[in-house]
Amino acid sequence: EPEVTQTPSHQVTQMGQEVILRCVPISNHLYFYWYRQILGQKVEFLVSFYNNEISEKSEIFDDQFSVERPDGSNFTLKIRSTKLEDSAMYFCASSVGFPGRSYNEQFFGPGTRLTVL
Amino acid sequence: TQLLEQSPQFLSIQEGENLTVYCNSSSVFSSLQWYRQEPGEGPVLLVTVVTGGEVKKLKRLTFQFGDARKDSSLHITAAQPGDTGLYLCAGPNQAGTALIFGKGTTLSVSS
Repeated sequence: EPEVTQTPSHQVTQMGQEVILRCVPISNHLYFYWYRQILGQKVEFLVSFYNNEISEKSEIFDDQFSVERPDGSNFTLKIRSTKLEDSAMYFCASSVGFPGRSYNEQFFGPGTRLTVL
Repeated sequence: TQLLEQSPQFLSIQEGENLTVYCNSSSVFSSLQWYRQEPGEGPVLLVTVVTGGEVKKLKRLTFQFGDARKDSSLHITAAQPGDTGLYLCAGPNQAGTALIFGKGTTLSVSS
């Protein structure tokens, strides 16, 4: 069964460093997303991406964050200068269409645990 | 602002008991999804409900979408230890471009 994959599973970095989190969405999906989940808190939307551009971003997704689809299979999230409060699980998801249209379900990857020291 | 409130936050029961968890909002959602999340893993989709009043069954799990499409419930019959996990409800935002999640219900089933 196709699945979303993410690498690395765990990333430890120093405050102020840049990190790139990688995702391979399901191959026939067109819409890609990043979410994060701070320990003990709910899953929060960061950004959605379609047709090589951002469709929507949340207040969390400030100038420190960027996303890219560098090739036909990878989808990346870059945090330019990490802060302590960026420590969280980051989940990539993909869907055939947007969730508000024909209930296109999102399928989530296993996550990358980012720890900022 | 669309919010999804889940209750109870925690639920600890014995194997064989029945339980219901709730997902409520003051906003209308075009659909609601239920996910299950294990510690350290991503949410896994269980079901999507779309039509007001809809009931879907997945083995021992029964999902219901409220008539007004503002709430949903998950009922588990004869819970088993393997049902232990975090149950999340989620729905599309008004733009339809992202999912809004509830905080989840942590279920613990002991044998």
